[in-house]
Amino acid sequence: DAGVIQSPRHEVTEMGQEVTLRCKPISGHNSLFWYRQTMMRGLELLIYFNNNVPIDDSGMPEDRFSAKMPNASFSTLKIQPSEPRDSAVYFCASSFQGGGNEKLFFGSGTQLSVL
Amino acid sequence: GNSVTQMEGPVTLSEEAFLTINCTYTATGYPSLFWYVQYPGEGLQLLLKATKADDKGSNKGFEATYRKETTSFHLEKGSVQVSDSAVYFCALSDQAGNMLTFGGGTRLMVKP
Repeated sequence: DAGVIQSPRHEVTEMGQEVTLRCKPISGHNSLFWYRQTMMRGLELLIYFNNNVPIDDSGMPEDRFSAKMPNASFSTLKIQPSEPRDSAVYFCASSFQGGGNEKLFFGSGTQLSVL
Repeated sequence: GNSVTQMEGPVTLSEEAFLTINCTYTATGYPSLFWYVQYPGEGLQLLLKATKADDKGSNKGFEATYRKETTSFHLEKGSVQVSDSAVYFCALSDQAGNMLTFGGGTRLMVKP
């Protein structure tokens, strides 16, 4: 299995531009999570999907952030417009919920720099 | 709500030293507890877990015991190696096992 695949690995953009981060979860997993990691705030859960449905988006910082999961094998996190304070590493993770195993598998992350 | 508190890093040790990284938690019910490790430039990986009180999780020489009476899950290793240098995250799951709450992470630096 290729694991959780995120793209791009690095993204550099200018303030005000739209940014789209992509994630392909592990096949067969039914839950998908988007996290943001910064030095100041550590690892923050942004949003969580179960069976492609958003369950908890209370961690999404503001309306500039949106996430979709159109099918079981793909999710996007969009920032529009982006701001310098959005600079962080964004991780996607997936798991199979319901089997009593809460193990999360993380992607390698997208390093976002907003200038 | 659930929360996890870890000792702040960085923790700097010499090779073969004994490691302890403290972790305490606040949760309702009976959560499962985890340690994840993040190597430079990579995502987090599960290191070990424990699902009930007094369980001991272990992997790669690391171990942690679920202590309900002290709400703790401290990570230990008897002899660290340079390759153990990473950031370690303590985490707990909610009652339904659907979401993980992570601690702030503790950076470990092991010098030869």
